[in-house]
Amino acid sequence: ETAVFQTPNYHVTQVGNEVSFNCKQTLGHDTMYWYKQDSKKLLKIMFSYNNKQLIVNETVPRRFSPQSSDKAHLNLRIKSVEPEDSAVYLCASSYWGRKDTQYFGPGTRLLVL
Amino acid sequence: AQSVTQPDARVTVSEGASLQLRCKYSSSVTPYLFWYVQYPRQGLQLLLKYYSGDPVVQGVNGFEAEFSKSNSSFHLRKASVHWSDSAVYFCAVSSDTNAYKVIFGKGTHLHVLP
Repeated sequence: ETAVFQTPNYHVTQVGNEVSFNCKQTLGHDTMYWYKQDSKKLLKIMFSYNNKQLIVNETVPRRFSPQSSDKAHLNLRIKSVEPEDSAVYLCASSYWGRKDTQYFGPGTRLLVL
Repeated sequence: AQSVTQPDARVTVSEGASLQLRCKYSSSVTPYLFWYVQYPRQGLQLLLKYYSGDPVVQGVNGFEAEFSKSNSSFHLRKASVHWSDSAVYFCAVSSDTNAYKVIFGKGTHLHVLP
């Protein structure tokens, strides 16, 4: 099956903890993305990454960092979570280029207590 | 800079009725336009996209959209909705000068009454 896979589906944690979310795509794409979707469904891009460059949205707090082992994997680490980090984190992939469709995973829902 | 506005946060229609979801974009360069749909507990899926050519583009599940440069719009339409069309619909824009970035609108929640 070719798709974008995310784990875990759901994660509950305490303020100050470190969390890590996994994303894998089997579509052969060379670019991956992380988005944050808030409770009102508003989408905000956090990172885009291909084998040549990482592009960071300048509004993303420094406690967030992407981690990639190869072009099929892009994980997201949050060093010390804050309550405002509670959201759904969506991973997506595409071929590098502005015209191409992005394919999304089902999301990881984070709740910070 | 580019932006997308979806003026309707929520739309409710009866099953079998026609549908139009509005999208206005702002772009100083040639835009590439997309409509995505998000069903509950799922990621986004592409419905259709417009790059150039015929301003009316056909998508999946009977959806179509019309690009209007004069109105800076890319409205989504469907002739007859089904209850399973209930979802959140996102309009999005990108361009040649924004290679990595797709700008999404705030989404329109569609509720189809059975």
